[in-house]
This record gives sequence, C-alpha cells and structure tokens, in this order.
Amino acid sequence: QVQLVQSGAEVKKPGASVKVSCKASGYTFSDYHMHWVRQAPGQGLEWMGRINPNNGATNYAQKFQGRVTMTRDTSISTAYMELSRLRSDDTALYYCARIRSGNGYNLDHWGQGTLVTVS
Amino acid sequence: EIVLTQSPGTLSLSPGERATLSCRASQGVSSTYLAWYQQKPGQPPRLLIYGALDRATGIPDRFSGSGSGTDFTLSISRLEPEDFAVYYCQHTETFGQGTTLEIK
Repeated sequence: QVQLVQSGAEVKKPGASVKVSCKASGYTFSDYHMHWVRQAPGQGLEWMGRINPNNGATNYAQKFQGRVTMTRDTSISTAYMELSRLRSDDTALYYCARIRSGNGYNLDHWGQGTLVTVS
Repeated sequence: EIVLTQSPGTLSLSPGERATLSCRASQGVSSTYLAWYQQKPGQPPRLLIYGALDRATGIPDRFSGSGSGTDFTLSISRLEPEDFAVYYCQHTETFGQGTTLEIK
C-alpha cells in the first residue's frame, strides 16, 4: 500500500531554514508528482509547490518563490522541501502529498504532516 | 488568480440529513481540476471527489459532486456520524477556505 512517511517536528528560530523529508513506499516513486501543502494552526490548506521525481522539475507557488526548494533522491524514494528565511507565520503543519495520476493536482495520498514551529 | 469561496462557513445538521456544500470560483474554471477533500481533526485531508464529479477510491456513494464553470457542489445524501468534518474544495493551486460540517 502507498505510504508517505515524513520527518519529525522541528523548532526553528526566525531567519533559519528547515528541510522536511517525505519517504515514499508502495509504488514507483518516479511515476507520480509530489506536492507540498501547508496548514497553519486552525487555518485552511495552502499549496506550496510540486516536484516531478522523474526529472526533478519543480513548480512553486508565487508566494514562496525564492524561499522554497523542492528536491528528491530517487535512490531512496524520498522528496524534500526546504523553506528558508523562516518567519513566525511559517509556523504550520507541512504535508507532502502524492498526485492521483497524470500531471494534475488531485492528491490522493498524504503524509502524516510535519509540524514546523518558528519561535 | 482564482479565488474559491466556500459556503456556508459552518453547516449544522443531524445524522441522516442531506448536506449541500458550495464552492464558487471567481472566474470560470475547468471541471477537470476541481476536487473536494475531507479533513478530520488531527488527520491529513482525504480526497473525496476529483474532476468535479468522480469519487476517489473507497469513497462511499453517498458523496457526490456536481457543477461546472464557477459553481460546484458537494452533496452528502445521508449523513453518517463520521461525515462531520471540514471540507475543502480545490482547483489546481488554490484551496477554498473550508466548510465545517458540525452535528446539530
């Protein structure tokens, strides 16, 4: 079965960077785009960007351009999301999520979330 | 930039009733990329509907999606206790703000 297992919670100071990992299993990692979505405490969902694990191509939400970097290591079926110049309003639960199929945005498998606290 | 507005913000219903949730786009959008998610406390979102009307794998048939252009609807025909949650619509990079479905 498809599983996405994310790295543990992080506490960072303003101005620092954080790198969250997402290890995939149960399917061919390179065949499905991986997206990153975040959710601030008590708030809604916010799309951050996506990566094509096959070739490393990325698309980022304009809001995060210049601060976010998404990468992958196909040898260990793991995707990464790094966010730099952290601010207090970056405190959120960060999810990786796999596309259902093709090149769209329907996310049918999600990681458990990684809480990043900026304080 | 497309904005998705969901209504109502909170919907109070009883088990067994029918729920109708709305998602309105600020401009016409492709139904291909219109999805609905359910999120329960402490859990990640779960894909319910994609392509505006197709149920995702394992989703009960009491959930149905409809709509086109700017107006989309998620309907739940007979509410079960486990259906009380927050529901989000999505079009490509944009999510609606969510509708909370609570027990009356």
